[in-house]
Amino acid sequence: AQSVTQLDSHVSVSEGTPVLLRCNYSSSYSPSLFWYVQHPNKGLQLLLKYTSAATLVKGINGFEAEFKKSETSFHLTKPSAHMSDAAEYFCVVSDPNDYKLSFGAGTTVTVRA
Amino acid sequence: KAGVTQTPRYLIKTRGQQVTLSCSPISGHRSVSWYQQTPGQGLQFLFEYFSETQRNKGNFPGRFSGRQFSNSRSEMNVSTLELGDSALYLCASRRYREAETQYFGPGTRLLVL
Repeated sequence: AQSVTQLDSHVSVSEGTPVLLRCNYSSSYSPSLFWYVQHPNKGLQLLLKYTSAATLVKGINGFEAEFKKSETSFHLTKPSAHMSDAAEYFCVVSDPNDYKLSFGAGTTVTVRA
Repeated sequence: KAGVTQTPRYLIKTRGQQVTLSCSPISGHRSVSWYQQTPGQGLQFLFEYFSETQRNKGNFPGRFSGRQFSNSRSEMNVSTLELGDSALYLCASRRYREAETQYFGPGTRLLVL
């Protein structure tokens, strides 16, 4: 079975400072991992995905994530937070057998001016 | 290319009623999945349809059902509504089942009174 654990339910940063959102995964297979973002009253938007190519994945809006198999982690980072980054972020793993997505509990990001 | 569209966006029903939600996938996408999002349970998989057939089902009671039409549009139905069915219902599409990335619609927010 696949699962993900997001280690922080809430992260607060100042505008212009780095953002780190932590995600650990559990998978019996080589996983496909995703980060999605959800702004208030909106659907989910794909930020980036890892599918066994390069371990450092670059996404939209300056986000990137590093896949570390030894640590079973897929942390999301951004060097400089912007007010528009305030949202909820979900780490997601895809089951290679039936392609079902399993979501983490989400991390709410607050950006202080 | 137009994204995933869901109708209606907001819905208010009373206990015991039934409701039908609609999802139009991205043009060319044949797989449609449905998810329920609540503050308490997070994002949970409901079911997936591909080529008019249900391919996967999550752990929801039989009151939750769906179907897919030949044009890939999908509907989900909830009968005998309960207060706990109040949620954001998200639809996601992908080109085929093996495609790694799902694209989400804006969701339908259902309130059961």
